[in-house]
Amino acid sequence: AQSVAQPEDQVNVAEGNPLTVKCTYSVSGNPYLFWYVQYPNRGLQFLLKYITGDNLVKGSYGFEAEFNKSQTSFHLKKPSALVSDSALYFCAVREGDAGNMLTFGGGTRLMVKP
Amino acid sequence: DAGITQSPRHKVTETGTPVTLRCHQTENHRYMYWYRQDPGHGLRLIHYSYGVKDTDKGEVSDGYSVSRSKTEDFLLTLESATSSQTSVYFCAIRAAGRSNQPQHFGDGTRLSIL
Repeated sequence: AQSVAQPEDQVNVAEGNPLTVKCTYSVSGNPYLFWYVQYPNRGLQFLLKYITGDNLVKGSYGFEAEFNKSQTSFHLKKPSALVSDSALYFCAVREGDAGNMLTFGGGTRLMVKP
Repeated sequence: DAGITQSPRHKVTETGTPVTLRCHQTENHRYMYWYRQDPGHGLRLIHYSYGVKDTDKGEVSDGYSVSRSKTEDFLLTLESATSSQTSVYFCAIRAAGRSNQPQHFGDGTRLSIL
């Protein structure tokens, strides 16, 4: 069975500082990894994905994520946080080509303060 | 935004009544999904469809049924609603072909069962 853990319910960061939102996963085969963001009263919006290739993946709105196979992690990062980045972030995993289903972490609320 | 419309957006009903939620897409995507979102649980898959009249159960399918008679519509039915089914329900779609494609989400239906 596949699973995702987001160990922090909330991350607080000052505007202009770098941010990291943590994600670890467990899957039998090769992982397909995704990050989504959710703003209030909206659905999830796709940010970026890792399928294969470079361990550092760049996505929307200046976000990037680093895939680390040995640590089974896929942390979301941004060099300089904006107040508008404040939202709920979800990490998700699918087991390569074999799986149709995404498994989501519990979500991490990011609060960026001016 | 992906062409996904969920209806209704809000609904309040009583325990024991039937409820049907509708997801309509204009993207002609093969895969459609129903999730529920609850605090601390992230998103959990209820049912999904991989084509017209082809559906399968997800992680939390008890108490729910689905139907897909047309490519564009995926219905979620609660035959006899219970208070534990109070939640926010999200529909998602994904293109066929390459399974590394991300899912795209509607804006959700907030369902309250009294």
